[in-house]
Amino acid sequence: QKEVEQDPGPLSVPEGAIVSLNCTYSNSAFQYFMWYRQYSRKGPELLMYTYSSGNKEDGRFTAQVDKSSKYISLFIRDSQPSDSATYLCAMSAKGGYSTLTFGKGTMLLVSP
Amino acid sequence: DAGITQSPRYKITETGRQVTLMCHQTWSHSYMFWYRQDLGHGLRLIYYSAAADITDKGEVPDGYVVSRSKTENFPLTLESATRSQTSVYFCASLAGGNEQFFGPGTRLTVL
Repeated sequence: QKEVEQDPGPLSVPEGAIVSLNCTYSNSAFQYFMWYRQYSRKGPELLMYTYSSGNKEDGRFTAQVDKSSKYISLFIRDSQPSDSATYLCAMSAKGGYSTLTFGKGTMLLVSP
Repeated sequence: DAGITQSPRYKITETGRQVTLMCHQTWSHSYMFWYRQDLGHGLRLIYYSAAADITDKGEVPDGYVVSRSKTENFPLTLESATRSQTSVYFCASLAGGNEQFFGPGTRLTVL
C-alpha cells in the first residue's frame, strides 16, 4: 500500500458546483498536510497548509483533516473554470525543514 | 527576477548521453529539491540538499547525480541518460514551514 492514496480522476463538474477532493494515508506520524494546485505544464503551487486535525478556510477553499481516519479533504465552493487543474495532497511528519510525501494528484475539470 | 528558475525548459537527448538540468533560486533558501513527475507515479523525490555541499538521496536517486557548490544553484545530472528517465523534472526550494516553491519544470525526452 502506498503511503498516500489519491484518486487520479478526472473529476468533471459544472461551474458553481461544490468540489470535494480527498486523500488517504497510512503513516500515522504525518502531522502536516498540504494541498498543491498544478496547472497544465506548470509547477505545483501551495494552496492550503494545515497542522494536525481540524478545518482551515481560505476564501472558497476549505481544508479538512481527520487524523483518526487518516483522511484529508479539500473542498472548493462555487467552483470556477479557472479552478481546472490537478490538485496534489502532500504530507510530512515534521514541521520546518523536511521532505514531503505527495499523492499522485486528482485532475479537476470545471466546465462553464 | 525573483523566484526559482529551471533551464532548459525542454530537452531532447539520446540514450547514453550526459544531461545536466539547471535550477537557480534567488531567495537564498537553504533546502532545495529535485523531483520527477510521471503519469501514474506523481511527484517522486530524486535528491535534496539542506545547504551548500550537503546532499541526500530521495526515493528514486539511481542514475542521477547532484551537486550544490552555491546556495542558489542545484544542478541535476543524468550521467548516462536512459529512456526510463524521460519525464518532467521539477526543482523546488523550501521557505520553511514545509512550504516548497516549485520551478516551472524541464520536460526531458530521452530517445
